[in-house]
Amino acid sequence: QKEVEQDPGPLSVPEGAIVSLNCTYSNSAFQYFMWYRQYSRKGPELLMYTYSSGNKEDGRFTAQVDKSSKYISLFIRDSQPSDSATYLCAMRSGGYQKVTFGTGTKLQVIP
Amino acid sequence: DTAVSQTPKYLVTQMGNDKSIKCEQNLGHDTMYWYKQDSKKFLKIMFSYNNKELIINETVPNRFSPKSPDKAHLNLHINSLELGDSAVYFCASSQERDPGAGNNYNEQFFGPGTRLTVL
Repeated sequence: QKEVEQDPGPLSVPEGAIVSLNCTYSNSAFQYFMWYRQYSRKGPELLMYTYSSGNKEDGRFTAQVDKSSKYISLFIRDSQPSDSATYLCAMRSGGYQKVTFGTGTKLQVIP
Repeated sequence: DTAVSQTPKYLVTQMGNDKSIKCEQNLGHDTMYWYKQDSKKFLKIMFSYNNKELIINETVPNRFSPKSPDKAHLNLHINSLELGDSAVYFCASSQERDPGAGNNYNEQFFGPGTRLTVL
């Protein structure tokens, strides 16, 4: 079993839809939870991060962490064609520990 | 004003050759990384250097040798290239923060990637 599991998709939605992207993990030491966005032929870039449990909102994006279930989510409201990309969840326990990435979910928002 | 740059962007070579990929960051960060991303988009860490010191060394064949001449540079040399080495290699950098401060999520800034094809 991988430390971080993420459905690779692809996920195809119409413009304006609400998108839900999810990851599960097995390492209870993870404290920092991140979402990276990667456009085609580009490097990943940090979209949002959350420390420990709870929700965090930034514009159309909401990140949720449920440490008791070892489950994290990213919601995108009013999705736009420009949101079409691969979304990678990432987690870290802290200190000089490595960041562990999920396999990424490819999202396509159709105009 | 590129933050993390890599050269070359594309590399096509024959099996058995030796090649190098260079990475430079101008963000003043103290930690740099090499990642390998396979065809299924799985991003796997290979190495990490903090202030020129190797701190993460995942299970990578010893044909791969990183070198950090200074904090701003981390190069990757690959000997005896194999077909399975074909992938996109990403360099990244970050600034470590106080682990107790609650903000040590370690935002990593990635380069544009080097697409390596071994024939």
